[in-house]
Amino acid sequence: GQNIDQPTEMTATEGAIVQINCTYQTSGFNGLFWYQQHAGEAPTFLSYNVLDGLEEKGRFSSFLSRSKGYSYLLLKELQMKDSASYLCAVLGSNYQLIWGAGTKLIIKP
Amino acid sequence: IAGITQAPTSQILAAGRRMTLRCTQDMRHNAMYWYRQDLGLGLRLIHYSNTAGTTGKGEVPDGYSVSRANTDDFPLTLASAVPSQTSVYFCASSATSGGVHEQFFGPGTRLTVL
Repeated sequence: GQNIDQPTEMTATEGAIVQINCTYQTSGFNGLFWYQQHAGEAPTFLSYNVLDGLEEKGRFSSFLSRSKGYSYLLLKELQMKDSASYLCAVLGSNYQLIWGAGTKLIIKP
Repeated sequence: IAGITQAPTSQILAAGRRMTLRCTQDMRHNAMYWYRQDLGLGLRLIHYSNTAGTTGKGEVPDGYSVSRANTDDFPLTLASAVPSQTSVYFCASSATSGGVHEQFFGPGTRLTVL
């Protein structure tokens, strides 16, 4: 079967760094996406990895290891507005996205 | 219009009624998708369309139908609504050539079936 695992909830402090992990087992791999979703809103695209390594975009970075079926999203200098759910999704062999259930990130002052 | 729009924003529906959720995009994306999002389950694909005139079934297609008469519109129909179809429905679209192919989402429709 196909499976994407990420923690249900994480808590971090404003100004700190947090790493959200995602592990996947899918039939085929054509890239991994991270999306941010604020409560009551639509998901918005954050990052895309298709090759191993780190992609940095401002305060956010995303890492991929295809051999380990593993990715993480790293958020630096946390701000209160970063409180949201973070969704990991894999583009499978049929070019459809397979979604994790999301990680709810709570930022405390 | 900028991006993807969905209508209605929210709806309360009696079980057994027919309902069409509307989705329109102005980005000229070939591919469009319908998802439902339920607490703790993440996004689940209902139906998709890779190009105008074609549609396909996703992970949870039962009780839903779609059509893709043109590039911009992708309506989702519930022929006879049941309470288990209470959910938040998101429409999305993506390009299919060049680039990253990230999906862009509409604002969602919150549907309650009583």
